[in-house]
Amino acid sequence: DVKVTQSSRYLVKRTGEKVFLECVQDMDHENMFWYRQDPGLGLRLIYFSYDVKMKEKGDIPEGYSVSREKKERFSLILESASTNQTSMYLCASRPTDREGSPLHFGNGTRLTVT
Amino acid sequence: AQSVTQPDIHITVSEGASLELRCNYSYGATPYLFWYVQSPGQGLQLLLKYFSGDTLVQGIKGFEAEFKRSQSSFNLRKPSVHWSDAAEYFCAVGALYSGGGADGLTFGKGTHLIIQP
Repeated sequence: DVKVTQSSRYLVKRTGEKVFLECVQDMDHENMFWYRQDPGLGLRLIYFSYDVKMKEKGDIPEGYSVSREKKERFSLILESASTNQTSMYLCASRPTDREGSPLHFGNGTRLTVT
Repeated sequence: AQSVTQPDIHITVSEGASLELRCNYSYGATPYLFWYVQSPGQGLQLLLKYFSGDTLVQGIKGFEAEFKRSQSSFNLRKPSVHWSDAAEYFCAVGALYSGGGADGLTFGKGTHLIIQP
């Protein structure tokens, strides 16, 4: 089974702090994604990466950046955390193919910014 | 741009009763479609997907979904629900980004399923 691991289940940070959310997948998938999930808004794509050192903005990239130095690891960075970034963050991965492979999700990181 | 609508925010069903969760999508090409389930505090688990072929697809946990191109729908069904089916359900449509070949998904806002004893 594909395993996507997010290093923290819960994080509490202060406004203005730099925050790193880490995600590792063990199936050699080319593509990795960061979503945030908020009540009533569903999942919204922040950034994705289709290869090492490659990244693309999703629908809501403002206030975030990402890093992909190794194929298995995709980091989400909040340069200066704000209270409106309090949310559940979900990492996902999938291979590149033409068969509509699904996204495989981690268990999420619930971030609270105070 | 693609979009997904799940018109029901909450649905309450009695245990043992049948279930249908609605999903409508807007997509410019042939879509690929997914249903995911999320238990409290967990990530999303894939229930089933449609890519091509038979429009009635079977998934895990006794769920099925039917793709109807004419109605732009991909409704999820289960003949008899169990208390353990209480969760959040998300419909998603495939999106091909022109930038680099990665396929992200666009999600609906979810339907919260409540099971009455």
